[in-house]
Amino acid sequence: EAGVTQFPSHSVIEKGQTVTLRCDPISGHDNLYWYRRVMGKEIKFLLHFVKESKQDESGMPNNRFLAERTGGTYSTLKVQPAELEDSGVYFCASSQHQGAYNSPLHFGNGTRLTVT
Amino acid sequence: AQKITQTQPGMFVQEKEAVTLDCTYDTSDPSYGLFWYKQPSSGEMIFLIYQGSYDQQNATEGRYSLNFQKARKSANLVISASQLGDSAMYFCAMRDSGGSNYKLTFGKGTLLTVNP
Repeated sequence: EAGVTQFPSHSVIEKGQTVTLRCDPISGHDNLYWYRRVMGKEIKFLLHFVKESKQDESGMPNNRFLAERTGGTYSTLKVQPAELEDSGVYFCASSQHQGAYNSPLHFGNGTRLTVT
Repeated sequence: AQKITQTQPGMFVQEKEAVTLDCTYDTSDPSYGLFWYKQPSSGEMIFLIYQGSYDQQNATEGRYSLNFQKARKSANLVISASQLGDSAMYFCAMRDSGGSNYKLTFGKGTLLTVNP
């Protein structure tokens, strides 16, 4: 089966610009997560979709970040306007089961965002 | 309180030797899962091994094994017969329900370097 795919793999933008990251989860996975790793720090949870609904967005840093998952398939994460501190690697992950502590998350390769 | 602690920012090991990467965790939830992920320099997050809180035996997956000591709340990863390709960041992570809604919480990671 195809894994989680993310696009683009790299993005370099200037402060104040807008960037949209895309994630295609594994087919059939209702649960989709966004995580971020800022350089040298731990991987932090951003939000969780179950199908098209936002289950938990407690990790979203501020209202410059907007995530959507239309139709419960792929998801986009838009940063508008981007700030320098938004630089990092953005990971998307999916899993089949929601309330299952024994179900691993399958991650994409990440999008490396650099804001200059 | 930090839920996942990895005390080794970096580790070195000689090729073909075994290495242990430390991980301790904190949860009051009796049901939880512990995971290890590998992130090579190419950036992808690779799921390695899983240990459930009710599992009686330590998990093993090929050259990877998990030394699970429940009373100590530790879940160390053991890599046997290290290979050059094992050089990567290694993240310990946990899923529990208590207040986290089964989000995957990561430690800060350990950078493993395998020397020839």
